[in-house]
Amino acid sequence: EAGVTQFPSHSVIEKGQTVTLRCDPISGHDNLYWYRRVMGKEIKFLLHFVKESKQDESGMPNNRFLAERTGGTYSTLKVQPAELEDSGVYFCASSPDRGNEETQYFGPGTRLLVL
Amino acid sequence: AQSVTQPDIHITVSEGASLELRCNYSYGATPYLFWYVQSPGQGLQLLLKYFSGDTLVQGIKGFEAEFKRSQSSFNLRKPSVHWSDAAEYFCAVGGATNKLIFGTGTLLAVQP
Repeated sequence: EAGVTQFPSHSVIEKGQTVTLRCDPISGHDNLYWYRRVMGKEIKFLLHFVKESKQDESGMPNNRFLAERTGGTYSTLKVQPAELEDSGVYFCASSPDRGNEETQYFGPGTRLLVL
Repeated sequence: AQSVTQPDIHITVSEGASLELRCNYSYGATPYLFWYVQSPGQGLQLLLKYFSGDTLVQGIKGFEAEFKRSQSSFNLRKPSVHWSDAAEYFCAVGGATNKLIFGTGTLLAVQP
């Protein structure tokens, strides 16, 4: 079974540019999560999809971040325009829809550097 | 406020020595507790989890953790560390909501 995949693995952009991160969850997983780790700090929750619907987006930092999940499959996280403080590692995770006792399986992350 | 504290940012142990990584949490409801590991260039891998039942939980790679409600702790242990255990370890808490709250991580170095 393929795990959670994320693309790209690394991205270096200039302040003001746009970047789109993609996450492909494990096949059949209804729950998809985005997290972010800013250097030296804890991994923080951004948002949670159940299928194509946003269940919880309380962790999204501001309106420069837009997350979508087309057809309840893969998800994209767009940052527009990017700022220096957006640099960090963006993790995606997925879990089956069997209640909140399910393990979240994480992808390798996308390392974003905004210059 | 909900939070996870990992007081040790960096730990160095000798190969073959025992290991204990500390984790304390603050959570208003029944906690679900997790330990994840991130090896260089890899994603987060689940080591073990506690939802209910036996407070001593066994995980992969020879790790175990003990849930102590009275101390709000969920420390990770391994009796004999291998060089391949060098990685960053994250404690996390979850519950009725699906979002996980992570600690800042503990970076483990293993000396030969």
